[in-house]
Amino acid sequence: NAGVTQTPKFQVLKTGQSMTLQCAQDMNHEYMSWYRQDPGMGLRLIHYSVGAGITDQGEVPNGYNVSRSTTEDFPLRLLSAAPSQTSVYFCASRIAGVSSYEQYFGPGTRLTVT
Amino acid sequence: AQSVTQPDIHITVSEGASLELRCNYSYGATPYLFWYVQSPGQGLQLLLKYFSGDTLVQGIKGFEAEFKRSQSSFNLRKPSVHWSDAAEYFCAVGSGGSYIPTFGRGTSLIVHP
Repeated sequence: NAGVTQTPKFQVLKTGQSMTLQCAQDMNHEYMSWYRQDPGMGLRLIHYSVGAGITDQGEVPNGYNVSRSTTEDFPLRLLSAAPSQTSVYFCASRIAGVSSYEQYFGPGTRLTVT
Repeated sequence: AQSVTQPDIHITVSEGASLELRCNYSYGATPYLFWYVQSPGQGLQLLLKYFSGDTLVQGIKGFEAEFKRSQSSFNLRKPSVHWSDAAEYFCAVGSGGSYIPTFGRGTSLIVHP
């Protein structure tokens, strides 16, 4: 299993540009989530999904869109990038059910918005 | 709502010394507690977790953590730190009513030779 994969690994955008961060998992996990990591702020939840077709907002959803058309993929879209979105983005997944709450993380995407 | 506090932003220890990283949580019922480690430039890896049962939990890489309900704490310990333990450590708390756990802000561990 490849686990959770994220592409690209690095990205530089200009203010106002749009892009999609890709996240895929091959573990058949129902739950997937997106976090951003900023110095001194830890991990903050952007959006999450509990299954195909079901998404919900996390702590910091503004400026980001998600959709979940398949179990495997959970892309994160930036419609109009802003310098405040410069961050490291992590995707995570886990199987449903309280007894298996562990999350598996991807390697991250480092995004710079100029 | 659940929350988690890691009061130490940075911890510096000498190689071979013992380590304790603090984590305090806020949640009314029995929480699900996790410690993750993030090496530089890497994603997060689970060190250990507590759901129920024995309050002293053993993890990977020689780490352990103890759940103390009376103190709302889940501190991470290691008896002898290695230089390769230098990393960022995150405590997280989950509950039966939430899909996604809440993470603390992290503690950066610096190991001196």
